[in-house]
Amino acid sequence: QEQLVESGGGVVQPGRSLRLSCAASGFTFSAYAMHWVRQAPGKGLEWVAVISYDGSQIHHADSVKGRFTISRDNSKNTLYLQMDNLRAEDTAVFYCARDPIYYGWDDYFDLWGQGTLVTVSS
Amino acid sequence: DIQMTQSPSSLSASVGDRVTITCRASQGIRNSVAWYQQKPGKVPKLLMYAASTLQSGVPSRFSGRGSGTDFTLTISSLQPEDVATYYCQKYNSLPLTFGGGTKVEIK
Repeated sequence: QEQLVESGGGVVQPGRSLRLSCAASGFTFSAYAMHWVRQAPGKGLEWVAVISYDGSQIHHADSVKGRFTISRDNSKNTLYLQMDNLRAEDTAVFYCARDPIYYGWDDYFDLWGQGTLVTVSS
Repeated sequence: DIQMTQSPSSLSASVGDRVTITCRASQGIRNSVAWYQQKPGKVPKLLMYAASTLQSGVPSRFSGRGSGTDFTLTISSLQPEDVATYYCQKYNSLPLTFGGGTKVEIK
């Protein structure tokens, strides 16, 4: 079945870095744009970044621009989020999510991973 | 950035009641709205896209309407399994933004 599995979360000190991974299975990963969405504890959803199916187009939310970088390796069916200079306000569950359009993008999310918790604390 | 204002923030209704959640965009966004359901402790699930198109497998008691700035999600007959927080999301342009959520409980 179609599945996304995130990993790489944990507790990290402010100013440090962390890289999240999202392993895809059960579908043609290289044909879909992918997103990261986060949810702070007890709060709502916040879009973080998107990458096109071939990696040629990338966009980040202003709140993470210059600190976070989305990337993908289609040969490994894996999405990444490199997070540098982390702040306390980045504490959240990070979800990877699939855009529904085959070889395109429409910017909503039809498949979600289970999420990985990132806690930024000294 | 275009903001999505969702109301109410919470509601309590009886089983079988008709429930409506509203989302208002700060600018016109055509019909580029999706709705998600997030049950307690679970991952968000896509219910609706293009404002009124039901995602495959979603019960027909869920419906969506709207275009431009005003959008609604309606549950025609509330069921116990519908207890969740519901979010709207606009996707006509980046950045993508969500409404603040509506927590639906059973009275």
